Amino acid sequence: NAGVTQTPKFQVLKTGQSMTLQCAQDMNHNSMYWYRQDPGMGLRLIYYSASEGTTDKGEVPNGYNVSRLNKREFSLRLESAAPSQTSVYFCASRRTGGADDTQYFGPGTRLTVL
Amino acid sequence: AQSVSQHNHHVILSEAASLELGCNYSYGGTVNLFWYVQYPGQHLQLLLKYFSGDPLVKGIKGFEAEFIKSKFSFNLRKPSVQWSDTAEYFCAVKGQAGTALIFGKGTTLSVSS
Repeated sequence: NAGVTQTPKFQVLKTGQSMTLQCAQDMNHNSMYWYRQDPGMGLRLIYYSASEGTTDKGEVPNGYNVSRLNKREFSLRLESAAPSQTSVYFCASRRTGGADDTQYFGPGTRLTVL
Repeated sequence: AQSVSQHNHHVILSEAASLELGCNYSYGGTVNLFWYVQYPGQHLQLLLKYFSGDPLVKGIKGFEAEFIKSKFSFNLRKPSVQWSDTAEYFCAVKGQAGTALIFGKGTTLSVSS
C-alpha cells in the first residue's frame, strides 16, 4: 500500500495564479482532510470530507475549495493564490468506524506564492 | 471550542537525557489523544495514541505518554533521548463526536550528540 500520496511535492506560483493539489489514498478510508502547516502554528484544518460526496469547512477555509472526486481522491484548489497561502499542505485520511481512529498523513506539498 | 497547548516551543537536550513534553487540552467530553512526530523534511508519523483503557500508553521508539484526565494532560516522555529523536513533536486531540484533529503548535526537539 502506498498510503496517502500527494502531488506535486513542490510548487512555486505567482500571485493570482491558480492550482490544484492532488491527494489520493489506497486504504479505503472514508474521511479525508487538508491541513496547512506554518511555522509556530502547528497544523490547521482547511477542509475535510467525512465521506464521499460531502465536504465541510475547517478552521482556515478562505481562499480554498475542495473536491471529493471519489472515495480515493480529495483535491484542494487555490483559485487565486496569495502570498499568505505560502505553506506546507498535508492531506490525511482516516477510517471511520472501528477501533482505529488514526489519521494517516501524506508527504506534503510545499507551496510558495511570490 | 477545543484547543491544545504545548508548553515548550523548543527543547534542547544532550543524548541520554530524559525528555518530557507537556500537552494540555481543553474539551469537556471524551477524547482521543495522539502524539505525532515530524522528522526534518518528512511527513507526520504517529508516535502513539490513547483511546481508552490504561492511561499509560507506549509508542514506537521508546516513547510513552500518560493521560491524566483530571489535569486534561497527555505528556510525552522518553527516558533517554538519542540524536535521531531530533524532530518536531505535535500533540493532537479529537473529540469522540468530532471528525478532525486539533493540533498543538508543536515542540521542536534538538538533541546534541
